[in-house]
Amino acid sequence: DTGVSQNPRHKITKRGQNVTFRCDPISEHNRLYWYRQTLGQGPEFLTYFQNEAQLEKSRLLSDRFSAERPKGSFSTLEIQRTEQGDSAMYLCASRRGGEQYFGPGTRLTVT
Amino acid sequence: AQSVTQPDIHITVSEGASLELRCNYSYGATPYLFWYVQSPGQGLQLLLKYFSGDTLVQGIKGFEAEFKRSQSSFNLRKPSVHWSDAAEYFCAVGPINTGTASKLTFGTGTRLQVTL
Repeated sequence: DTGVSQNPRHKITKRGQNVTFRCDPISEHNRLYWYRQTLGQGPEFLTYFQNEAQLEKSRLLSDRFSAERPKGSFSTLEIQRTEQGDSAMYLCASRRGGEQYFGPGTRLTVT
Repeated sequence: AQSVTQPDIHITVSEGASLELRCNYSYGATPYLFWYVQSPGQGLQLLLKYFSGDTLVQGIKGFEAEFKRSQSSFNLRKPSVHWSDAAEYFCAVGPINTGTASKLTFGTGTRLQVTL
């Protein structure tokens, strides 16, 4: 059990650029979540996958955000035309039973 | 809609002192309850969880939490704090029905500072 991994750990980008983050869940976990955490706040749910199917999206996930999990293994989160308000920690979690296991996160800074 | 309230934004305790972090939730039914810890720049580590049964649950690192249905609370406790416990602590709730997305709703966190 190697845990949930996320890459990159840090990303600095200029406003208007596109960015993509990757999440590799724990191998036997078929459920995967993305959360966003801004400074001084708890994580907020963005989207959920069961295997390759994206089953739920938060209204926080604007049209500029897209997430995929093409083979039911790793997942990617893309943000197009980044805005300064997108600066946050993006956390991925995978789930076994009732427990969610979190990765270390990708910290995005939009300048 | 579900919500989680952690009324203490910041707590400072001396090493060796006892600790209690408060968590109150609003939910349509009895939810799953969790406490996570986050060190600076890191992801979240699960400390403990309550699903059902005994309302006093034990977790890792010597932490425990007590579920009180009548007070909609799930307070985290530790009898003797260590300097390495300094971190941010998050209470979270999720639905019992695992057929749903079971997304977690988090509180805003309590930052724990430990003085030597």
